[in-house]
Amino acid sequence: IQMTQSPSLLSASVGDRVTLSCKAGQNINNYLAWYQQKLGEAPKLLIYNANSLQTGIPSRFSGSGSGTDYTLTISSLQPEDVATYFCQQYNSWTFTFGSGTKLEIK
Amino acid sequence: EVQLQQSGAELVKPGASVKLSCKTSGYTFSNYYMSWLKQMPGQNIEWIGNIYGGNGGTGYNQKFKGKATLTVDKSSSTAYMDLSSLTSEDSAVYFCARATDGYFDFWGPGTMVTVSS
Repeated sequence: IQMTQSPSLLSASVGDRVTLSCKAGQNINNYLAWYQQKLGEAPKLLIYNANSLQTGIPSRFSGSGSGTDYTLTISSLQPEDVATYFCQQYNSWTFTFGSGTKLEIK
Repeated sequence: EVQLQQSGAELVKPGASVKLSCKTSGYTFSNYYMSWLKQMPGQNIEWIGNIYGGNGGTGYNQKFKGKATLTVDKSSSTAYMDLSSLTSEDSAVYFCARATDGYFDFWGPGTMVTVSS
């Protein structure tokens, strides 16, 4: 299943509400995860099952969507949120990732 | 605390093989799948395959069949990945990650593999 993320690059100010999009090539039944990857680090799980917040992740992160269209929202952007964000579907074997959205601070 | 410790960076010659390791602690190894993933510099993440810690049962991304072989040692709670017939296209960072219902909740720090003569 092809996963398409947009935009590829996003520049926003501290405190902004930020929305990242992920579109699946077919219905993935909410079997979607979001990861944050900082430079030189391993990805970190933020959201699973489209809208469940992983333990220890700040509540400013939230996920939503259904069917083929999903969104990651950061309610108030912080400097430490600078990273690349990937979505991943696990509805179908072979698990696939989007190409990522790089988030910068303006 | 769940921890995944990966082996160090590798520099290997084209045509050679390499074996990467992922030593785990902080959870019951035999109750979970371990996945391996590939990330080339500045690129997307690719899922290579899964292995079940309990019985060593495997599932592979078709793209990596014949390239990667996954094994486990339950006695040491360690997962391994053999990569064979290496080419420049195999130069990448390889992650192990604990799989829970298809998503990856804990990741190792990654092992960089460089294929060069």
